[in-house]
Amino acid sequence: QQQVKQSPQSLIVQKGGIPIINCAYENTAFDYFPWYQQFPGKGPALLIAIRPDVSEKKEGRFTISFNKSAKQFSLHIMDSQPGDSATYFCAASKQDDYKLSFGAGTTVTVRA
Amino acid sequence: ETGVTQSPTHLIKTRGQQVTLRCSSQSGHNTVSWYQQALGQGPQFIFQYYREEENGRGNFPPRFSGLQFPNYSSELNVNALELDDSALYLCASSLVSGHVGSPLHFGNGTRLTVT
Repeated sequence: QQQVKQSPQSLIVQKGGIPIINCAYENTAFDYFPWYQQFPGKGPALLIAIRPDVSEKKEGRFTISFNKSAKQFSLHIMDSQPGDSATYFCAASKQDDYKLSFGAGTTVTVRA
Repeated sequence: ETGVTQSPTHLIKTRGQQVTLRCSSQSGHNTVSWYQQALGQGPQFIFQYYREEENGRGNFPPRFSGLQFPNYSSELNVNALELDDSALYLCASSLVSGHVGSPLHFGNGTRLTVT
């Protein structure tokens, strides 16, 4: 049973475009929602995380939007660059245990 | 600050064999979690170790077992390997103090191929 559903599976944008990745969760006990970036041959690296008491969080060119009532959250990559080409994973857990449930991943390709 | 290191980076085993994967946690971290990432999928939680004891387990059979040592390093053992065990095995460490934990930091994984 997949607790976090992620879409799309892949997307391609031009440099400067805004890739948007969406995730939905079922478990209302989740209260920690991180996004990870993974390059080929590397482990996932934490990009940005949000807790359900805020609806939006920005760090640099990365923005998370969170809709608690819909149990959905999304990642926007502003002014995307070819170096942002990677696989992005959303995840969720209870804050006190960090046992993450991951989405299936979205492969983002940014064309120069 | 030393990050999470895993060894070996690649491993090939035959079905039915046993394998041990190793992980050194990031400096200052006291909790280790293991994840399995099949090709093209998101990581799946295997188990977490805190204070040398298993502290939560995902939907994996008992032939997946682990250890955490006093220096917070960890091992993942898999017995009776099956073809479906072929995956990238990721170790992640964090600092837990009281009931508050820090975000996970992942290593680069061990790529296990079972033939």
